[in-house]
Amino acid sequence: EPEVTQTPSHQVTQMGQEVILRCVPISNHLYFYWYRQILGQKVEFLVSFYNNEISEKSEIFDDQFSVERPDGSNFTLKIRSTKLEDSAMYFCASSEVYNEQFFGPGTRLTVL
Amino acid sequence: QKEVEQNSGPLSVPEGAIASLNCTYSDRGSQSFFWYRQYSGKSPELIMFIYSNGDKEDGRFTAQLNKASQYVSLLIRDSQPSDSATYLCAVSGGGADGLTFGKGTHLIIQP
Repeated sequence: EPEVTQTPSHQVTQMGQEVILRCVPISNHLYFYWYRQILGQKVEFLVSFYNNEISEKSEIFDDQFSVERPDGSNFTLKIRSTKLEDSAMYFCASSEVYNEQFFGPGTRLTVL
Repeated sequence: QKEVEQNSGPLSVPEGAIASLNCTYSDRGSQSFFWYRQYSGKSPELIMFIYSNGDKEDGRFTAQLNKASQYVSLLIRDSQPSDSATYLCAVSGGGADGLTFGKGTHLIIQP
């Protein structure tokens, strides 16, 4: 069964450094999403992406964040200058038609 | 501000019984409703979705939606220990909208 994949599974970085989280959505899916989950808290929407542009973004998704689909398979989330509070699980999701979103296994980001 | 409310639990149910999970949402414009299961340290797994008022059944799971009351529920019949997890309710306005999640209900199925 096709699934969303994410790399790396765990990323440790120093405060102020840039990180890029990578995702490979399910191949025939058209809509792509990033979410985050701080430990012990709820899953929070960051951004949705369709037709090579951002469709919707939350208040969390400020100028420090950007997304890109650099080729036909990858979908990336970049955090330009990481803060301690960016430490969280980051989940990529994709959907074929809108809304039935399937999540990847996540990247645990630890900012020191 | 869109809100999704769930009782955090834990909800303890004997094996073989029916587990009933509930969720309310604040945005009357919400169009799509989802239940995800999340095991500790893992990602959310989609188990049910519902778009119309009424009931929708899939195997041991039944989702119920009442838009007038802004209420969504999930019933799990013949509960198994492997159903022990956190169940996340999520809603969306449709299109490419992101999902708004509740905090989840921690379900424990007692053998």
